[in-house]
Amino acid sequence: DIQMTQSPSSLSASVGDRVTITCRASQSISSYLNWYQQKPGKAPKLLIYAASSLQSGVPSRFSGSGSGTDFTLTISSLQPEDFATYYCQQSYSTPRTFGQGTRLEIK
Amino acid sequence: QVQLQESGPGLVKPSQTLSLTCTVSGGSISSGSYYWSWIRQPAGKGLEWIGRIYTSGSTNYNPSLKSRVTISVDTSKNQFSLKLSSVTAADTAVYYCARERLHYMDVWGKGTTVTVSS
Repeated sequence: DIQMTQSPSSLSASVGDRVTITCRASQSISSYLNWYQQKPGKAPKLLIYAASSLQSGVPSRFSGSGSGTDFTLTISSLQPEDFATYYCQQSYSTPRTFGQGTRLEIK
Repeated sequence: QVQLQESGPGLVKPSQTLSLTCTVSGGSISSGSYYWSWIRQPAGKGLEWIGRIYTSGSTNYNPSLKSRVTISVDTSKNQFSLKLSSVTAADTAVYYCARERLHYMDVWGKGTTVTVSS
């Protein structure tokens, strides 16, 4: 199985901050990397697919980059509704695997 | 707009079989090149991919669960299903169904909580 490791596991930030979350794969996954946002009691929501493509309807303050084994999710200017848990997920092979999550909290 | 809805018992006894159904609305489960997936999340923990089924009926399972999992599709009802046998407390989780297209899961159900307890 491909292991996905996110850092940090938790992060405190303020509205308006620029935030970056990283995700590392245990082997090269090309650009087969997706990012999801999950709020308490809700299903995950797709934000970014294929490492850098913005899902329809997702605000442009979200962006993704990377290829191979190292990836980043950036939120350019945090909004109150962005405080949530973020997961990366590889879709290079099965079983699909997720990172452990990054909890983004209000400072 | 395709929507997914999970359904099934919220309480399952240890050693029994967990059975869940995901109903697809707003589109045909047979149209397009989609995989139909199951994912679970224990309370306060991360996401675990259980497996998926293609519209043709071919399946992929997580090796960690493969011996206990069966995913099937019923195109006449526009549904796909999950069966997980010999459950234990470790199988207590929120179970989600999702649609995977072009290597990403773009539509998710709201999730259903399953508790394994006697």
